[in-house]
Amino acid sequence: DGGITQSPKYLFRKEGQNVTLSCEQNLNHDAMYWYRQDPGQGLRLIYYSQIVNDFQKGDIAEGYSVSREKKESFPLTVTSAQKNPTAFYLCASSMTQGVTEAFFGQGTRLTVV
Amino acid sequence: AQSVTQLDSQVPVFEEAPVELRCNYSSSVSVYLFWYVQYPNQGLQLLLKYLSGSTLVKGINGFEAEFNKSQTSFHLRKPSVHISDTAEYFCAVSDLVNQAGTALIFGKGTTLSVSS
Repeated sequence: DGGITQSPKYLFRKEGQNVTLSCEQNLNHDAMYWYRQDPGQGLRLIYYSQIVNDFQKGDIAEGYSVSREKKESFPLTVTSAQKNPTAFYLCASSMTQGVTEAFFGQGTRLTVV
Repeated sequence: AQSVTQLDSQVPVFEEAPVELRCNYSSSVSVYLFWYVQYPNQGLQLLLKYLSGSTLVKGINGFEAEFNKSQTSFHLRKPSVHISDTAEYFCAVSDLVNQAGTALIFGKGTTLSVSS
């Protein structure tokens, strides 16, 4: 079945450590996105990519980094510079940017202690 | 830049009652609008979308929404809710981000709680 796979579902890390969240899609979508979800805040855009080897910052990119070496993969690294990294992270993809609907993964809940 | 306002953070209703979840967006020449649903600890699932054409859009699970350009609204409705409709609902708009490309911009969500 086609879809978006995020792993792991739950992730615990110590403060000051970098951590990478995985996102893989087999939908043959060009565009991929990372969102952060906090209670009462909705979804906020971290980074997005329109095509392989290209990506743009979203509204809250500070403290995060991404890569897009393959069409299927868009990993997100939460660095130690991110002041408040504990959150629910959602990866999405779409055929083209924005106009068509985005398909979401099941999310990764990151807890930093 | 576009913005989306969901006017109610929580909406409690009884089973089989009608419900309306309100969404307003900032004005734009052209706009593409979406409603998503999220069940606890899961990703988002598309309920319906408005790209063009008829202003009344029907989606999955008996939901529908009406695009109103003059009021810049895209309210979600269901005539009779079930317990299983309890979830968080997000309204989203497609917008240019940082002048570099487009992505979906989301409202803060509305929690629908259906009780018997």
